[in-house]
Amino acid sequence: QSVLTQPPSVSAAPGQRVTISCSGSSSNIGSNYVSWYQQLPGTAPKLLIYENNKRPSWIPDRFSGSKSGTSATLGITGLQTGDEADYYCGTGDSSLSAGVFGGGTKLTVL
Amino acid sequence: EVQLVESGGGLVQPGGSLRLSCAASGFTFSNYWMTWARQAPGKGLEWVANIKPDGSETYYVDSVKGRFTISRDNAKSSLYLQMNSLRAEDTALYYCARDHGSNSFHYWGQGTLVTVSS
Repeated sequence: QSVLTQPPSVSAAPGQRVTISCSGSSSNIGSNYVSWYQQLPGTAPKLLIYENNKRPSWIPDRFSGSKSGTSATLGITGLQTGDEADYYCGTGDSSLSAGVFGGGTKLTVL
Repeated sequence: EVQLVESGGGLVQPGGSLRLSCAASGFTFSNYWMTWARQAPGKGLEWVANIKPDGSETYYVDSVKGRFTISRDNAKSSLYLQMNSLRAEDTALYYCARDHGSNSFHYWGQGTLVTVSS
């Protein structure tokens, strides 16, 4: 059971927009930055969003992040078949003195 | 170009030990927190441990406390994970990652597989 809760799966059609939620508590999301990762099959995770809503230079602006209270959301617009992957949220947990990840969400582009 | 290359994985019996290494290049290693994360087969990511740039602080997930030790050699730009008293549930692909300083991991290695089985 992960400290951060994500939906197991989401799906949408090509070109559409999808959001993935990440729910936590005051000791993790509520008091720390959130990051998001994309993991394509058989590859290492890749950073998409850091510090809640910042994108590394290599990530297109189709990807966005937001945080409110103890929840965070990843948004992806203009869905492409190449976006099919597992997505993870991550943050620190002040009570655990450790990092934590969500359980992951599998995105299917129908 | 930032590169992180893990090594040292393999098959080990329950109760055994293994030492993982991560060779870093393309950045000033001594300036960054570094992290080990793992992923069991078919499962999600799990944060395992991290270490301060000068090695003076380390943190661990509860399930490995007392069994795993993270360390670094800044002169060699290398990160290590000493794993003792290994259990079947430690079987996973182990990644090293560079921490941006805000619990975000901008660079990841390709991972090294650890299998604990008799």
